[in-house]
Amino acid sequence: KQEVTQIPAALSVPEGENLVLNCSFTDSAIYNLQWFRQDPGKGLTSLLLIQSSQREQTSGRLNASLDKSSGRSTLYIAASQPGDSATYLCAVRGFQKLVFGTGTRLLVSP
Amino acid sequence: DTAVSQTPKYLVTQMGNDKSIKCEQNLGHDTMYWYKQDSKKFLKIMFSYNNKELIINETVPNRFSPKSPDKAHLNLHINSLELGDSAVYFCASSEFKGDRVLSDTQYFGPGTRLTVL
Repeated sequence: KQEVTQIPAALSVPEGENLVLNCSFTDSAIYNLQWFRQDPGKGLTSLLLIQSSQREQTSGRLNASLDKSSGRSTLYIAASQPGDSATYLCAVRGFQKLVFGTGTRLLVSP
Repeated sequence: DTAVSQTPKYLVTQMGNDKSIKCEQNLGHDTMYWYKQDSKKFLKIMFSYNNKELIINETVPNRFSPKSPDKAHLNLHINSLELGDSAVYFCASSEFKGDRVLSDTQYFGPGTRLTVL
C-alpha cells in the first residue's frame, strides 16, 4: 500500500528566502508525481507533474525533482513571496489512482 | 469559464438525510474523480470514473453512490448521512486512461463543504 509523507508539516519563512519542501513515498512503482497548491477554502491547483522517467520539472520559480528509486521528491521555491503562502501537497500516481501526502503548510511573511 | 464546477459550495443538513453533490467538467476529459478531505486536511480518493464506467471504489460505504450520466458529469449521492460524513468533497478530472498516461494533470473543482448536524 502506497504511503506518502511530507516534511515539514508546517514552515514559516521571511519573504525572499529559497526553500525546499520534501515528499517521500513507499512504493516506487509510480507513473508520475504531482505537486499541488491549496489555498484556504479553495480547491487544488496543479503546479508540476513529473513523469516517472523524468528527474525534474521547472515552472517559473518552482523546481520539482524526483528520485524514484529512493522514493523522494523535493519542491524548490526560489525567492519566496507572501503570495506563495498556501498548503503544498504532493501526490503519486500508481495504477489507477493518485495517493496524496499529508501536506506542508507554508507561510511567507513580508 | 470554470473548468471543473461543483454545486453546492456549502451543504448543511441533518443526520439521516439524503443529499447530492453535482460535478461538471468542460475540459473534455475522460476520467473524473471524487475525493474526500477530512478535518485534518488529508485528501483521499473515493471514486474514479472513466468514460462513465466505475474504475475505482475505495472501500467507501455503500451509502455513497456516484452516478455518471455522461463523461462530463459525475454526481455524488449520499444516503442516510452520518456525522462522520462531514468533510470537504472535491471533484476532479484528468485525461488518464487506465494504464495509458495521456496528460494526467488533475483539475480540481472548488469543493463542497458538507456539514452534518
